[in-house]
Amino acid sequence: GAGVSQSPRYKVAKRGQDVALRCDPISGHVSLFWYQQALGQGPEFLTYFQNEAQLDKSGLPSDRFFAERPEGSVSTLKIQRTQQEDSAVYLCASSLLQAGETGELFFGEGSRLTVL
Amino acid sequence: QQQVKQSPQSLIVQKGGISIINCAYENTAFDYFPWYQQFPGKGPALLIAIRPDVSEKKEGRFTISFNKSAKQFSLHIMDSQPGDSATYFCAARTSTGNQFYFGTGTSLTVIP
Repeated sequence: GAGVSQSPRYKVAKRGQDVALRCDPISGHVSLFWYQQALGQGPEFLTYFQNEAQLDKSGLPSDRFFAERPEGSVSTLKIQRTQQEDSAVYLCASSLLQAGETGELFFGEGSRLTVL
Repeated sequence: QQQVKQSPQSLIVQKGGISIINCAYENTAFDYFPWYQQFPGKGPALLIAIRPDVSEKKEGRFTISFNKSAKQFSLHIMDSQPGDSATYFCAARTSTGNQFYFGTGTSLTVIP
């Protein structure tokens, strides 16, 4: 497909489990963002990659959250020792242009994480 | 602290009417203001965007009005249709920043 693809679409985890969420951005897109969207709220920034470099991780809520994009394409958001407050939809977005340039953000459909 | 404040939280409009959603910001470094539309179970999709050097931008039935001095901007949906029923988010970003700051969203329902 031509859009941003995220998997899994739904994930149920027991408290304390580790989870990994995958994002396949649009081919050739330089910028990749992860956002967290709580129920009934707007997306909140987690982290930003320019190619393989993680240039901003200021939004990651704790050191249990880790993201990588080793080859500048696919990205993985990992959450260790999940807590109930981690329950949210995790959105991935990609953009053709670098941050600071006005490029449209293309969002995936998100991965809904429920921590029991 | 919410960087972009959005209102109303929900809105019900008759088909054919005008839907108006408002946003306000404080950070004068913001230089790009997009609006996103989100349907249930989907990711947000860009609807229309504006830079602060213009006061209005229109694309079809969608118009952004921008008031730089008041640090406010709004989305107007003319001739609202049931298919417009969705959640709308305003957002803002600085020229040097990586982050898009989103409002809390407005749930729009257009009734036939």
